[in-house]
Amino acid sequence: EPEVTQTPSHQVTQMGQEVILRCVPISNHLYFYWYRQILGQKVEFLVSFYNNEISEKSEIFDDQFSVERPDGSNFTLKIRSTKLEDSAMYFCASGWGTVASNQPQHFGDGTRLSIL
Amino acid sequence: RKEVEQDPGPFNVPEGATVAFNCTYSNSASQSFFWYRQDCRKEPKLLMSVYSSGNEDGRFTAQLNRASQYISLLIRDSKLSDSATYLCVVNIGRHDMRFGAGTRLTVKP
Repeated sequence: EPEVTQTPSHQVTQMGQEVILRCVPISNHLYFYWYRQILGQKVEFLVSFYNNEISEKSEIFDDQFSVERPDGSNFTLKIRSTKLEDSAMYFCASGWGTVASNQPQHFGDGTRLSIL
Repeated sequence: RKEVEQDPGPFNVPEGATVAFNCTYSNSASQSFFWYRQDCRKEPKLLMSVYSSGNEDGRFTAQLNRASQYISLLIRDSKLSDSATYLCVVNIGRHDMRFGAGTRLTVKP
């Protein structure tokens, strides 16, 4: 069964540094997403991406965040100047259609980001 | 009112028991509903979509009541492997999925 893959599985970074989280979505999917889950809390939507542009973003996705699909297979999340509160598990997801049309999203196994 | 609210749990049940989870959502414009399960420190995995007429997948039955903005999940004949956190998920807009905080289930021998 095709999978969403994420790298690295664990990233440790000093506060204030930039970090890039990488994802390879399922190959025929058209919609791509990033979520985060702070330890012990619920999964939170960050951003959706379709047709090479952001389609929706949450209030969490501020100017320090950016997303890119540089080469048609990878999908990246960049955090420009990390803060302690950015420590979380970050999940990438992809889907064939919009969630509003009842198309589910399939999640990668996450990158645990630890900010020191 | 929270966007997606679930039973706080935890639920501790013996193998073979039937257990039901409830979920309410606040946005009356939501159109798509899902149940995911999440094992400890793992990614959410789709359990089932929830359709207006209700739907069943083996031991799992999902129901939707749009008038009450209420979703349920029933698990029959619980197995040890059903132990997980069950997440109610609802769409806000075309792409944005909102997750409930989850209900933890432990099935004991």
